[in-house]
Amino acid sequence: GQQVMQIPQYQHVQEGEDFTTYCNSSTTLSNIQWYKQRPGGHPVFLIQLVKSGEVKKQKRLTFQFGEAKKNSSLHITATQTTDVGTYFCAGGSGGYNKLIFGAGTRLAVHP
Amino acid sequence: GAVVSQHPSRVICKSGTSVKIECRSLDFQATTMFWYRQFPKQSLMLMATSNEGSKATYEQGVEKDKFLINHASLTLSTLTVTSAHPEDSSFYICSARDGTSGRSEQFFGPGTRLTVL
Repeated sequence: GQQVMQIPQYQHVQEGEDFTTYCNSSTTLSNIQWYKQRPGGHPVFLIQLVKSGEVKKQKRLTFQFGEAKKNSSLHITATQTTDVGTYFCAGGSGGYNKLIFGAGTRLAVHP
Repeated sequence: GAVVSQHPSRVICKSGTSVKIECRSLDFQATTMFWYRQFPKQSLMLMATSNEGSKATYEQGVEKDKFLINHASLTLSTLTVTSAHPEDSSFYICSARDGTSGRSEQFFGPGTRLTVL
């Protein structure tokens, strides 16, 4: 079946350093979505990428969708303690827009 | 907008009993709802996709007779864990998609922590 792999599993950085998480799908995706889950909370939608090679920015966050629509990345510039949480990519394909989630990358930011 | 509630937030039950979890979209019509299971510090595992007025579509390996899903209205889906056992203890989380928006992002409920003794 379809698999979505995400690395790294865990990363801790000093406040102000950059952070990147990578996502790879075993199949071509119709879209990829990114979610953030704070400790003890539930996933919150960040963004959706649909087009091949698409790049979107949200303040310090940059999201990319690969040309083949099988990989994606999230880059955070100059991390802050408020960035702490687990970032999930989720690949969309098939009917009903179901999502297959990656394993998530847990980000810890040390002040 | 786009708020999803889930009830109860936490439940402890004895082995062999059944537990019902409700998922409600509060301010939009959810034509599709999804049920996930999440183990500590792990990813969300999709259990089933629920469409209003039709049978749920279960993912491979998920027992439909054990995890009963009902999507009776455009704002409510329920998951019933039947004859629960300790291995069913987990964090169950639902999400909903706004069918009228044309967008595919999912809005998640706060989750239900199930502990089976």
